[in-house]
Amino acid sequence: SAVISQKPSRDICQRGTSLTIQCQVDSQVTMMFWYRQQPGQSLTLIATANQGSEATYESGFVIDKFPISRPNLTFSTLTVSNMSPEDSSIYLCSVGGGSLNEQFFGPGTRLTVL
Amino acid sequence: ELKVEQNPLFLSMQEGKNYTIYCNYSTTSDRLYWYRQDPGKSLESLFVLLSNGAVKQEGRLMASLDTKARLSTLHITAAVHDLSATYFCAAGGGADGLTFGKGTHLIIQP
Repeated sequence: SAVISQKPSRDICQRGTSLTIQCQVDSQVTMMFWYRQQPGQSLTLIATANQGSEATYESGFVIDKFPISRPNLTFSTLTVSNMSPEDSSIYLCSVGGGSLNEQFFGPGTRLTVL
Repeated sequence: ELKVEQNPLFLSMQEGKNYTIYCNYSTTSDRLYWYRQDPGKSLESLFVLLSNGAVKQEGRLMASLDTKARLSTLHITAAVHDLSATYFCAAGGGADGLTFGKGTHLIIQP
C-alpha cells in the first residue's frame, strides 16, 4: 500500500489569506486526487492531478480558488486561495494503487478559517 | 453523473447484534469501495469490490456487490464497541476519482 504524508496537518488561517497543502507519496503514481470533507459531511472530489498536465477540476471547483501543482510523480500541492470561513474543512489527497485497485488516503489537513 | 446513496445515515445498535448498511449507486461503476473513518482521523480502506457477486470478509465485517442491482452491502455480525465509527461507501475509481455516499454514523452500545 502507498504511504502518504500531508503538510501541514492542521492550520488556523485568517480570511483573505491563502494556504498551500503538500502531499507526498512514497512511490511514483500517475494520478493524485484532492478531496474536501466539510465538517460532519462526506468527501467531495476537488480535482485530479496528473504529472505534466493541468489538473482536472470537478463541477463547483475552479483553478483560481484551488490551484494545484504536480511537479513530479510523488508530490502535489493544493492551494486554498482567498480563504473564507466556508473553506474550513479537512483536505485529503489520495492515490490509487496496489493489486486490488485500492484508493489510499493521506492523513488530511484540517483547515480552520477565522 | 454518478450518485451514491447510503442508508441508514445513522445507526445505533447493541453489542452482539447484526446489521446491514446499504449502498446504491446510479450508474455503472468499475469498483465499489468501503471505508471506515474514526473521529478526527483519515479514511481506512476496508474493502474493494471489483465484480458482480464479489464477497469479501474481514473479521465481523462482510461486504458484497450486486452490479445488476447497483447495490453493495456491508454486513456487521455480532457487533462490538470497537466497530463504532463512520462507514463510507464510494464508487468510481481509476482515472475518475471516487464519488462517496454520505456515510453511516455507527454507534455500538454495550
